[in-house]
Amino acid sequence: DVKVTQSSRYLVKRTGEKVFLECVQDMDHENMFWYRQDPGLGLRLIYFSYDVKMKEKGDIPEGYSVSREKKERFSLILESASTNQTSMYLCASRQGIQPQHFGDGTRLSIL
Amino acid sequence: GESVGLHLPTLSVQEGDNSIINCAYSNSASDYFIWYKQESGKGPQFIIDIRSNMDKRQGQRVTVLLNKTVKHLSLQIAATQPGDSAVYFCAERDPAAGNKLTFGGGTRVLVKP
Repeated sequence: DVKVTQSSRYLVKRTGEKVFLECVQDMDHENMFWYRQDPGLGLRLIYFSYDVKMKEKGDIPEGYSVSREKKERFSLILESASTNQTSMYLCASRQGIQPQHFGDGTRLSIL
Repeated sequence: GESVGLHLPTLSVQEGDNSIINCAYSNSASDYFIWYKQESGKGPQFIIDIRSNMDKRQGQRVTVLLNKTVKHLSLQIAATQPGDSAVYFCAERDPAAGNKLTFGGGTRVLVKP
C-alpha cells in the first residue's frame, strides 16, 4: 500500500511565523500535491509538483511556496503565517494517471 | 475528530440497507472520475474510479455509475455497515487542465444501527 506521511497531525503557530509542513511518500511517485480543506469549500489545490525541483501553482497559491528537493519529499511553506491560513492541509501523491493517495492531514492553527 | 464540512448534505441510512450517493459535475471534458471516502481524523481514501468510456464499474460492495448525458456520477454501497459512516467525495479530472483533480463538496453518510 502507498504510504503518504505528514510529519505533524496538529500544529499551532503564531501570526508572522514561517511555517513548514512536511510530506513524505514511499512509493517513488512522480507527482505530489498540497491541498487545503475548509468547511463549505472542499479541497482546494495550493501547489503541485511533477518532478524533483519542479513546481506548479494550483488554484490558491498566494501566501504559500513549496520545495521538492528529493522525489519522496514535498514541503509546503507558509512564508508569513496569517490567521486565514488556519486550515486542514492534505498532501497527496500519484504515479502517472493513477488515483491520488492522501496523507492523514495536518490541522494547522494560526493564532 | 475535526469537522470536514459544516454544511454538507447528509444521508442517513439504516445498517444493512443500500446507500446511493450522488454527484453532479459540470465539465463535459472530464475523462476520469474518482470516489473518495474520508473518515473523521483521516485523509481521503480512494474507493473506486471510472473512465469516461465506461458507464458502470463494480468493486467490493461498491458500484459507480456514470451518466455522461446529464453529467451525473453516483456511488452505490451495498449492505451499508457502521464502518461506512464517513464523508464521500467525488472528483473529476480534465486532461486539458494538466490532469488536476476537481473535488465535489462531499456528502456525509451516517449509518444507523
